[in-house]
Amino acid sequence: DQQVKQNSPSLSVQEGRISILNCDYTNSMFDYFLWYKKYPAEGPTFLISISSIKDKNEDGRFTVFLNKSAKHLSLHIVPSQPGDSAVYFCAASAPTGGNNRKLIWGLGTSLGVNP
Amino acid sequence: DTAVSQTPKYLVTQMGNDKSIKCEQNLGHDTMYWYKQDSKKFLKIMFSYNNKELIINETVPNRFSPKSPDKAHLNLHINSLELGDSAVYFCASSQGRGPQHFGDGTRLSIL
Repeated sequence: DQQVKQNSPSLSVQEGRISILNCDYTNSMFDYFLWYKKYPAEGPTFLISISSIKDKNEDGRFTVFLNKSAKHLSLHIVPSQPGDSAVYFCAASAPTGGNNRKLIWGLGTSLGVNP
Repeated sequence: DTAVSQTPKYLVTQMGNDKSIKCEQNLGHDTMYWYKQDSKKFLKIMFSYNNKELIINETVPNRFSPKSPDKAHLNLHINSLELGDSAVYFCASSQGRGPQHFGDGTRLSIL
């Protein structure tokens, strides 16, 4: 049972346009959400995060939106650049007792930005 | 300066062998992890150590044994390798609720 779902395996956009990557979750205990970017033959790299007490977090060209009632978050990249072509993973974090936390990952969305 | 480094990057071996993958982080983080990324690209947590103490141990065959000699190192030893163990194994570290930082992965191929 996947608790974090990225329903689009791939997305293709034109350079300069907006890329919107979506993520849905099922567990209401998740209180912290992260987006990671992954290039081939490298490990995932942290991109941006959002706490469940917020509905928006912005960092340069990257903005994450959280809709708690819909259990949905999205990552907006604007303007998209060819170097943004990568696999984007959504991850959700929940406490597991004490100071420990567990991160649950989506399957990723492969973004291709065409020049 | 490599923050999380794993060795080896590639590992090709035969079924039945025993192998180890090493991981070191120089970020001063107190928690380290091992993930397995299978052929479907699904990243699944295997183990997590906090200050050398095991805190997450998912349903992983006991042929897999993590060892943390100190909080900067988390090694993974695998006994009696099987075909299904072929995957990319990622090590990661984090501090508190901060994001996890990943190594570049070890690509394990079982012949």
